[in-house]
Amino acid sequence: GNSVTQMEGPVTLSEEAFLTINCTYTATGYPSLFWYVQYPGEGLQLLLKATKADDKGSNKGFEATYRKETTSFHLEKGSVQVSDSAVYFCAPAWDYKLSFGAGTTVTVRA
Amino acid sequence: DTGVSQDPRHKITKRGQNVTFRCDPISEHNRLYWYRQTLGQGPEFLTYFQNEAQLEKSRLLSDRFSAERPKGSFSTLEIQRTEQGDSAMYLCASSPPTSGRSSYNEQFFGPGTRLTVL
Repeated sequence: GNSVTQMEGPVTLSEEAFLTINCTYTATGYPSLFWYVQYPGEGLQLLLKATKADDKGSNKGFEATYRKETTSFHLEKGSVQVSDSAVYFCAPAWDYKLSFGAGTTVTVRA
Repeated sequence: DTGVSQDPRHKITKRGQNVTFRCDPISEHNRLYWYRQTLGQGPEFLTYFQNEAQLEKSRLLSDRFSAERPKGSFSTLEIQRTEQGDSAMYLCASSPPTSGRSSYNEQFFGPGTRLTVL
């Protein structure tokens, strides 16, 4: 069946450090791929998306590339800020349903 | 702002009681989804509607759970005879109609209803 595996946290970084959160999926088809973010006390928000192979999604300095060969969609940011502290969820979509990873808690220290 | 709204935001109930949650999607969004999120986990799909039709239900949705979307607008999720294991955040999301070559559109999430079963 379809499934998603996300890098476990928590992750603690200093400001301006490089962040990467790994996400891989297993699927019989080619899902659309999403990263959602949940800031403290707020609801889920879409961070970025990619709908076909080699697409790169980007937003707020974050990037992720749809890698069909490795069935991966790793999230990266070159220089994190304290305001990036949040829980990040990788979420492939099959048949209109999102399948969320367990989430990775990221804390950025000043 | 006409985002997805959910009511109530918090519900505390005793085991065995029935509870009902409401979700109002973004206007003109034809798809509506329910998810459940427990502490430390990602949301899990429960069910979804396209207009008023309930098109899929997860096996997580036991017969104590029922969802409706009678006029293709707001939706309700009812849990009968609540159990402590039902304690979770219940999330609603909606998405607009697909168009062109896109077969999938972004889901917009509401703030959730946090259920605590004592």
